[in-house]
Formats: sequence, C-alpha cells, structure tokens
Amino acid sequence: AQKVTQAQTEISVVEKEDVTLDCVYETRDTTYYLFWYKQPPSGELVFLIRRNSFDEQNEISGRYSWNFQKSTSSFNFTITASQVVDSAVYFCALSDPINNAGNMLTFGGGTRLMVKP
Amino acid sequence: GAVVSQHPSRVICKSGTSVKIECRSLDFQATTMFWYRQFPKQSLMLMATSNEGSKATYEQGVEKDKFLINHASLTLSTLTVTSAHPEDSSFYICSARTSGALTSFTDTQYFGPGTRLTVL
Repeated sequence: AQKVTQAQTEISVVEKEDVTLDCVYETRDTTYYLFWYKQPPSGELVFLIRRNSFDEQNEISGRYSWNFQKSTSSFNFTITASQVVDSAVYFCALSDPINNAGNMLTFGGGTRLMVKP
Repeated sequence: GAVVSQHPSRVICKSGTSVKIECRSLDFQATTMFWYRQFPKQSLMLMATSNEGSKATYEQGVEKDKFLINHASLTLSTLTVTSAHPEDSSFYICSARTSGALTSFTDTQYFGPGTRLTVL
C-alpha cells in the first residue's frame, strides 16, 4: 500500500525566511511519480512539479527547489525568501506505477504554510 | 496549457434536490478524470475514477447511485449528486490526467478550481 506523510501540519514564517516542507513516502513500486501541489485559499490545486522515481536530480524553479532522496524516501520542498503570496496548503502526492494507466494519486495530509509580513 | 475548468464554482440547494457539476479539460483531451471530495482542513479524498466511454470506478464507501459520474467525451466529465442531503455539503474537485506527447508533463493530474456545495 502507498502512503504519503507530511509531518508538518502547519508552519508559520515571516516574509523573506526560507522554509522547507517535508514529505516522506512509502511504496513497494519501483517506478512512480512524486508531485507537489499548492492549494491557495481560493481552493484550486495548482500543479508545481512532478518527479520520476528514476530521476533523483534536484530541481530549482525560481524561489522553489525540490530535494528528492530515494534512499530516505523523501521529496522535500523548499521555498527561498518566502512571500505572503506563498501562504497556502501544500500537498505532496505519490502516483501509481508509471505504467499503470490509471495513475491514481495518494495525497499527504497537507502542510498549511502561513507567511506573515 | 493543461487547464481544467469546473462549473459551477458554488451551489446552494435544498435537501432532496440533485446537483450536477461539470469538469472540462479546456486545451487537452483527457481519457481519465478523477473526482475528489475535500472536507475543511483535510486532504483530498478520491471518490471515483472516470474513464471516457466506460463506467466509473468508485472508491470503497462511495455510493455509486448517489454520486453519478458520466464521462461522455474526452473533455467532459460530470458528477451528479442525487437527492442531496446536508451531509453531502463539501468541496468537490475534479482533475484530468494528461496523456500523449503534446503537453510538458504527461500522466499528470491537473485540477479544476473546485465546486463548493452547500445543501440546506
């Protein structure tokens, strides 16, 4: 069975601080995708990134960076120089095996990030 | 690219009525769409997987006669909440899975903006 754990339910930081959101996953599959989504107060889930299980290269996109460590089954998300607009709930998710046509997602419980001015 | 719309965004109805929610992939075709339900301050709960041209696959505990899903085309899936009751009040979110070579991220679920249902 697949499982995604986001141990931090709420994080509060002051603007311009760096913040890391943790994500630990469990799966017996050898091929899978990992995702991060952002859910602002409006409710819509915004896709941020997808990583393949066979690609452990870290990725940076502007102020966002992701650290994928297969050895520890973690896929952490760091926001550098946080801004108030970053305030949202962030979900980490794990997909079915890549060859599975369904590609269902298992979501973590989410981390609510509050960035104060 | 990969935009998903959902309509309506908010609906208030009386107990016993039926409500239809539409989910559309605007710039790509989606053979598979998903319907989720989200309670306040909780994660998303998958209700069903909708495949174009075939019956939806419901998750355990989700009543298929209560939540009717139709995926009649590659860009449209609908969820009908039949005989809605106050306990059906929730935030319903759909997603569409990309496939094919034209989008940057295939096999990725892109989400609609959600529908907030309130049953009085």
